Amino acid sequence: DQQVKQNSPSLSVQEGRISILNCDYTNSMFDYFLWYKKYPAEGPTFLISISSIKDKNEDGRFTVFLNKSAKHLSLHIVPSQPGDSAVYFCAASANNNDMRFGAGTRLTVKP
Amino acid sequence: KAGVTQTPRYLIKTRGQQVTLSCSPISGHRSVSWYQQTPGQGLQFLFEYFSETQRNKGNFPGRFSGRQFSNSRSEMNVSTLELGDSALYLCASSWRGSHTGELFFGEGSRLTVL
Repeated sequence: DQQVKQNSPSLSVQEGRISILNCDYTNSMFDYFLWYKKYPAEGPTFLISISSIKDKNEDGRFTVFLNKSAKHLSLHIVPSQPGDSAVYFCAASANNNDMRFGAGTRLTVKP
Repeated sequence: KAGVTQTPRYLIKTRGQQVTLSCSPISGHRSVSWYQQTPGQGLQFLFEYFSETQRNKGNFPGRFSGRQFSNSRSEMNVSTLELGDSALYLCASSWRGSHTGELFFGEGSRLTVL
């Protein structure tokens, strides 16, 4: 039961360009959404989050957009840097329930 | 501030055996969640413990179990191992609960079942 879906297993972009990672969800009860980044041999680390009462949250080069009607969120990285190369997981939770993760998207930023 | 510590980091077992994995959360964190990561499946939620009580449980068979001690350290156990149990098992801690905000993950325990 994949309630959080990341349909693109991989994405490759040129350094300096924009990276857009997408995530769809099916559970309309989700009210909190997060993105995590994972490097090889390390655990995922929190990147950015957004509450369902907002449609955008920005933190430096990272911006998350939420479209509740489409049950879709996206992570924009501008400008992309080689150090951003990692696996990005989208996650969502509903009140008092556990956090559900997508399958991840592997981002490669080429110099 | 020490991070989340998982032991062992790597282990190899054979089918039918059982395994116990350990997780020490960040000091002060009362919630510990366990996830299974396999290629193409992302992070699958196993269960969450909060103040020694199981708060939530994912869709895994009863062979997967866990517990949490009074010092918030947690263990998960997998009995009668199957080849498909080979995965990276990640533990994450948080202060108030996994649903409330960011999780702090350990580096994981990589289990190989032969």
